[in-house]
Amino acid sequence: AQTVTQSQPEMSVQEAETVTLSCTYDTSESNYYLFWYKQPPSRQMILVIRQEAYKQQNATENRFSVNFQKAAKSFSLKISDSQLGDTAMYFCALAGGAGSYQLTFGKGTKLSVIP
Amino acid sequence: ETGVTQTPRHLVMGMTNKKSLKCEQHLGHNAMYWYKQSAKKPLELMFVYNFKEQTENNSVPSRFSPECPNSSHLFLHLHTLQPEDSALYLCASSRPSGRETDTQYFGPGTRLTVL
Repeated sequence: AQTVTQSQPEMSVQEAETVTLSCTYDTSESNYYLFWYKQPPSRQMILVIRQEAYKQQNATENRFSVNFQKAAKSFSLKISDSQLGDTAMYFCALAGGAGSYQLTFGKGTKLSVIP
Repeated sequence: ETGVTQTPRHLVMGMTNKKSLKCEQHLGHNAMYWYKQSAKKPLELMFVYNFKEQTENNSVPSRFSPECPNSSHLFLHLHTLQPEDSALYLCASSRPSGRETDTQYFGPGTRLTVL
């Protein structure tokens, strides 16, 4: 069975500062995929960033980057220069195995960006 | 319309009612999903359709009945629901997964309240 754990139910950060959201996971698959999704108060779930486990290089998307530690099964999200629009629930998700349809989600971290 | 759309956005129904949720994707995808999002719980995958064929049914009660008439449309038929079925129901779509696991794109959800 796959598990995803987000240990920070809520976090806050000052505008323009940097914040890191934690995620740990467990899977028996050797080839898997990790995702961070953002769900703003309007509820549309949006992909933030995606990481293939076979790639050693950490994924980046503009102000968003991940720290993928495969041995430790850790996949944290760093948001630089936080903006008010970053206020949202952030979900870490795992898809185990090539061609897998099963996405296992964590419980989420509620991030508030404070002006 | 672009992306994944869902109707209605809000639905209130009694336990004896029959209603349907609709999802439509405009991304040219062939895989579609239903998820249930309850407060304080991770997203739960309910059903997966790949090229109109159901490939996953995660032990969902029979009072939820999915239908996928074509690759662009997905329905969730509801009958004799329970109050604990109140939740946000999310639809998602992706390209069919082969060697790679494709990213899932989500709709805005239907907020369902069962009285």
